[in-house]
Amino acid sequence: EAGVTQFPSHSVIEKGQTVTLRCDPISGHDNLYWYRRVMGKEIKFLLHFVKESKQDESGMPNNRFLAERTGGTYSTLKVQPAELEDSGVYFCASSQEVQARGTQYFGPGTRLTVL
Amino acid sequence: AQSVTQLGSHVSVSEGALVLLRCNYSSSVPPYLFWYVQYPNQGLQLLLKYTTGATLVKGINGFEAEFKKSETSFHLTKPSAHMSDAAEYFCAVSRSSNTGKLIFGQGTTLQVKP
Repeated sequence: EAGVTQFPSHSVIEKGQTVTLRCDPISGHDNLYWYRRVMGKEIKFLLHFVKESKQDESGMPNNRFLAERTGGTYSTLKVQPAELEDSGVYFCASSQEVQARGTQYFGPGTRLTVL
Repeated sequence: AQSVTQLGSHVSVSEGALVLLRCNYSSSVPPYLFWYVQYPNQGLQLLLKYTTGATLVKGINGFEAEFKKSETSFHLTKPSAHMSDAAEYFCAVSRSSNTGKLIFGQGTTLQVKP
């Protein structure tokens, strides 16, 4: 069974440009999470989808970030316009269980560099 | 607010030595506790987790952790380090009252010397 995949693995863009990150969760996992790790800091929660609905988006930093999960399968995270402080590694995770005790399976991450 | 503290951003041990990675949490309610490991160029992989029941939890690759409520700790141990254990380790918590978002510590990079 395929794990969580993310695309691209690396992205280098200039300040002010737009970038879209994609996450494909494990098949059948209704729960999809986005996290971000800025260099030197801890991994931080961004948002949580249950199927196509946003369950919790309390971690989204500002309205330059837009996450979607049309059809409840893959998800995209768009940053528009990108700022220098958006640089970091963006992780996606999926889970079969909605409860907090459930195991989340992580993708390898997308490393975003904003110049 | 919940928080997680991992003592030591870098830990170095010799091959065959005990591995001890420390994790303390603050939570107003009993949390669920997790240890994840990240090998180079890979995603985070679950090592073990505590939800309820036995406070000593055994995970993969010979790791174990003990939930100590009185000390608000969930330290990760392995009796004998292997070279292949070199990686970054993350302690995380979640609460039963939320939908599963994880609060992570800062991470600890484990170096294993031959």
